[in-house]
Amino acid sequence: DVKVTQSSRYLVKRTGEKVFLECVQDMDHENMFWYRQDPGLGLRLIYFSYDVKMKEKGDIPEGYSVSREKKERFSLILESASTNQTSMYLCASSFLVGTGVEQFFGPGTRLTVL
Amino acid sequence: AQKVTQAQTEISVVEKEDVTLDCVYETRDTTYYLFWYKQPPSGELVFLIRRNSFDEQNEISGRYSWNFQKSTSSFNFTITASQVVDSAVYFCALRGGSGYSTLTFGKGTMLLVSP
Repeated sequence: DVKVTQSSRYLVKRTGEKVFLECVQDMDHENMFWYRQDPGLGLRLIYFSYDVKMKEKGDIPEGYSVSREKKERFSLILESASTNQTSMYLCASSFLVGTGVEQFFGPGTRLTVL
Repeated sequence: AQKVTQAQTEISVVEKEDVTLDCVYETRDTTYYLFWYKQPPSGELVFLIRRNSFDEQNEISGRYSWNFQKSTSSFNFTITASQVVDSAVYFCALRGGSGYSTLTFGKGTMLLVSP
């Protein structure tokens, strides 16, 4: 079974703190993704990566950065957390090509910024 | 640009009723993939089905069935004899044919099945 794990289920941080959200997948997927999910807005793509050290901006990259030093790990970084970044963050991974292009999701991290 | 519309924000049914969740999509790609995901209260999105644009066969998996119609750009999802455990948010999503394509999600339909 594909396993995507996220470092925390719940996280509370203060405004201005630097926040790291970690994601690890064990299926040798090339692609990895970070989304945020907000009520009424659905899932919005923040960043994605299709290879180690590669990154692409999604729809809402402002205020975020990412790091992919190893194939299995994709980190989302909030350089200076703000209250409007309070949200559910979902990590996903998938193969680049072929029939297995569906994304598999981690359990999510519910981040609260006070 | 790609777009996925799930017009039903919330649906409430009583157990054993059949329910259909609508999904309409827009894309200029000739090759694309459509997906349905389930998000139970626990929060994790669970993959349900993938359908390729060149395969219009409908699919049935137990109580779940999917109706893909390219002519109307729709990919509807029907749950037969709904159960309380079906209560969740359901997302329809679209991906282009390129390996570098990303998923475009609809805003989701919350299904509440009451006993």
